[in-house]
Amino acid sequence: QITLKESGPTLVKPTQTLTLTCTFSGFSLTTSGVGVGWIRQPPGEALEWLALIYWDDDERYSPSLKTRLTITKDTSKNQVVLTMTNMDPVDTATYYCAHRPKYNSVWWGFVYWGQGTLVTVS
Amino acid sequence: QPVLTQPPSASASLGASVTLTCTLSSGYSNYKVDWYQQRPGKGPRFVMRVGTGGIVGSKGDGIPDRFSVLGSGLNRYLIIENIQEEDEGDYHCGADYGSGSNFVWVFGGGTKLTVL
Repeated sequence: QITLKESGPTLVKPTQTLTLTCTFSGFSLTTSGVGVGWIRQPPGEALEWLALIYWDDDERYSPSLKTRLTITKDTSKNQVVLTMTNMDPVDTATYYCAHRPKYNSVWWGFVYWGQGTLVTVS
Repeated sequence: QPVLTQPPSASASLGASVTLTCTLSSGYSNYKVDWYQQRPGKGPRFVMRVGTGGIVGSKGDGIPDRFSVLGSGLNRYLIIENIQEEDEGDYHCGADYGSGSNFVWVFGGGTKLTVL
């Protein structure tokens, strides 16, 4: 059974750096064909993809936020960490991490999601 | 990169059927999209992936048979039959584009489904 859970501060001040941790179980980020991504959703708004990291350390970032984001993994702890610098009130959102698998040589979307964590910037 | 367009709202009576639409921008008719269900106060849940040939792969865990998909031209449809109260919520479509440094994942604006 695959589960993911986000953790981190619920409140950050403008200009601060946000650090979020995704702790997962049921899969390993050392296994070929596995990725973990971060997606956020401002209150009442649409989902927005932020970043992805793959088993082979390949990283992908949203072009509009690339300069502010860093995604890393700690395979020994089954964790993926997202840092976002220079936080602003417009970054207030629920932040989700999600599992992206490759089945039968085809990459799927985000199949398993965490419950999300609300981060308020104020 | 593709733009995914969804109507902001839809409604259907209990037990009826509804078709939700995700429209790809021009030039992306061969793209597949994923459908996600988000119940009130919950995180998204993968429903299934759809291309022009219909479902790609299999449904997400616990998705009932009442849910199906179709793809035609630039449109990707999620069809829900015999709607239940538990189907109420937001439905998002998403797709990946490009590779390497040009990779991007996009989501539509979401459709809020109300069960009457």
